[in-house]
Amino acid sequence: GNSVTQMEGPVTLSEEAFLTINCTYTATGYPSLFWYVQYPGEGLQLLLKATKADDKGSNKGFEATYRKETTSFHLEKGSVQVSDSAVYFCALSRTGGFKTIFGAGTRLFVKA
Amino acid sequence: DTAVSQTPKYLVTQMGNDKSIKCEQNLGHDTMYWYKQDSKKFLKIMFSYNNKELIINETVPNRFSPKSPDKAHLNLHINSLELGDSAVYFCASSQALTSGNEQFFGPGTRLTVL
Repeated sequence: GNSVTQMEGPVTLSEEAFLTINCTYTATGYPSLFWYVQYPGEGLQLLLKATKADDKGSNKGFEATYRKETTSFHLEKGSVQVSDSAVYFCALSRTGGFKTIFGAGTRLFVKA
Repeated sequence: DTAVSQTPKYLVTQMGNDKSIKCEQNLGHDTMYWYKQDSKKFLKIMFSYNNKELIINETVPNRFSPKSPDKAHLNLHINSLELGDSAVYFCASSQALTSGNEQFFGPGTRLTVL
């Protein structure tokens, strides 16, 4: 079946550090891949997405590239800010399907 | 303009009570969902409706009953509440059959069962 595995947190970084959160997936066919972010006390919101292999999604300085050969969609940001402190979820959804599979979430703390 | 709204935001109740959570979306989406998020932030899908038809019904106790009166609304009724039902419940919507199935989430309802 389809599944998403992301690195366990929490991840603690100092401001302006480089961020990588690893995400790998198992799926049949060609799913769409997503990163969602959840700020404290709020619902999830889409951060970025990629719908086919080699696509790069980007938003607010975050990037992730859909790598079919390694079945990965790692999230990166060159210089994190305190305001990036949140929980990040990797997810996949089969095109034309109704179900989204979420990873377990990775909590990020950024210290000033 | 709130895209996906839920009421109430907080719900504190005693074991054994019955309660409802309401959800509305103004995005014109065909598909709506209920998710449960536990204290470790793990997100589990419970139900999904497409055009008022139930299409996903995960392994959820039958004390939970969703109802979709129209495409813009999906409510969740919970009977005989138990301590283990304490969690944050999120409603979401999407235009599922188009490319990507991006989900739009509500702000959540934090349910505490005492």
